Amino acid sequence: GAVVSQHPSWVICKSGTSVKIECRSLDFQATTMFWYRQFPKQSLMLMATSNEGSKATYEQGVEKDKFLINHASLTLSTLTVTSAHPEDSSFYICSASGVTGPLNQPQHFGDGTRLSIL
Amino acid sequence: ELKVEQNPLFLSMQEGKNYTIYCNYSTTSDRLYWYRQDPGKSLESLFVLLSNGAVKQEGRLMASLDTKARLSTLHITAAVHDLSATYFCAVANTDKLIFGTGTRLQVFP
Repeated sequence: GAVVSQHPSWVICKSGTSVKIECRSLDFQATTMFWYRQFPKQSLMLMATSNEGSKATYEQGVEKDKFLINHASLTLSTLTVTSAHPEDSSFYICSASGVTGPLNQPQHFGDGTRLSIL
Repeated sequence: ELKVEQNPLFLSMQEGKNYTIYCNYSTTSDRLYWYRQDPGKSLESLFVLLSNGAVKQEGRLMASLDTKARLSTLHITAAVHDLSATYFCAVANTDKLIFGTGTRLQVFP
């Protein structure tokens, strides 16, 4: 149980385009979803926290106009990287938590999306 | 601001040997988690430590938590190549997880 699906797994785009990443909780209702960014050989850095039906809370230093987060339902959150540039290339991981999930796991992680901007 | 540090950052060790990875954190928390990450993959949950003195073991890995010292350890016993990965501890801060710097483990014959 508590499966989080992330799509796509890998995307390569030209500089200047916008890229949307989806995060779905498949078998539980995710009241809160988190978006992380991970550069090679580094740790996960929390970008933003989103609660269903409300605006996302961004961590310090994360541009909210650059990284648009939508959490319109209890099973889906999306991250859109707008006008992506090579420095946005990274591994993006979502996670989800919800009252109906196993209580001993704070968050359930998606498989990640590798974003490469040329 | 909660900070989580791991030591060492990189560890190369021979099969069959033992070693301990340390996770120190800066403010009070009674929930600590260990994850494994293989190259190009997401996180795999290893251990959930929810109280002072908690000890969990799975195969060749054993994790412990000392909330008074703000320290968790991940002990590797008789390492095997399959354990090669990056290991992260993460400390709960309200509903957020603050991740440690990570320890990249390389086990060689």
